[in-house]
Amino acid sequence: QSVLTQPPSVSGAPGQRVTISCTGSSSNIGAGFDVHWYQQLPGRAPKLLIYGNTNRPSGVPDRFSGSKSGTSASLAITGLQAEDEADYYCQSHDSSLDGSGVFGGGTKVTVL
Amino acid sequence: QITLKESGPTLVKPTQTLTLTCTFSGFSLSTHNMGVAWIRQPPGKALEYLAIIYWDDDKLFSPSLKSRLTITKDTSKNQVVLTMTNMDPVDTGTYYCAHRGVTYGLDVWGQGTTVTVSS
Repeated sequence: QSVLTQPPSVSGAPGQRVTISCTGSSSNIGAGFDVHWYQQLPGRAPKLLIYGNTNRPSGVPDRFSGSKSGTSASLAITGLQAEDEADYYCQSHDSSLDGSGVFGGGTKVTVL
Repeated sequence: QITLKESGPTLVKPTQTLTLTCTFSGFSLSTHNMGVAWIRQPPGKALEYLAIIYWDDDKLFSPSLKSRLTITKDTSKNQVVLTMTNMDPVDTGTYYCAHRGVTYGLDVWGQGTTVTVSS
């Protein structure tokens, strides 16, 4: 049971918009800890997609965007492409866990 | 350019101690705000944050594993070492180290190393 809750899967047709939620609590996201998002392609190491809730590292397409409100965060992918099919993880820290980092359970994005 | 690479045994026996080394380049772990984290992923499962060590030698551990984990750094060798005691088959998986920089996210990851726990 992950501290941060994500839907196991989302899907969409090419060109569509999909969103992935990351629900936390008052000891992590709601406590003001930043949320980061990672993309993990099959058989590959994770890659930082969004940092500090809303920021994209250099080289990440602007089709990816992040938001945060209250005890939740979201990742949106607009103009879905075949190469976006991957697992996506949110990550934050939790004050009830001595400040340790925590990940969501991951969301599999399928491009129909 | 920042790179990290994990090294260590691919097979350990139950109850043994696992020692993994993360060798990095492109940054110094004595620089303010830098950190190196360890994350693992059992086969087909989610990522799990294990531990992180910061430039000032501050350390954070997953509470569920804290009693089994040690993390140290050698800034002269650009290495971070993670040890995990009393290994069990459920500890089987891919172990990653990653750089935490000024973005506070894990912005560069190693390729990962696979560890199997079996007698």
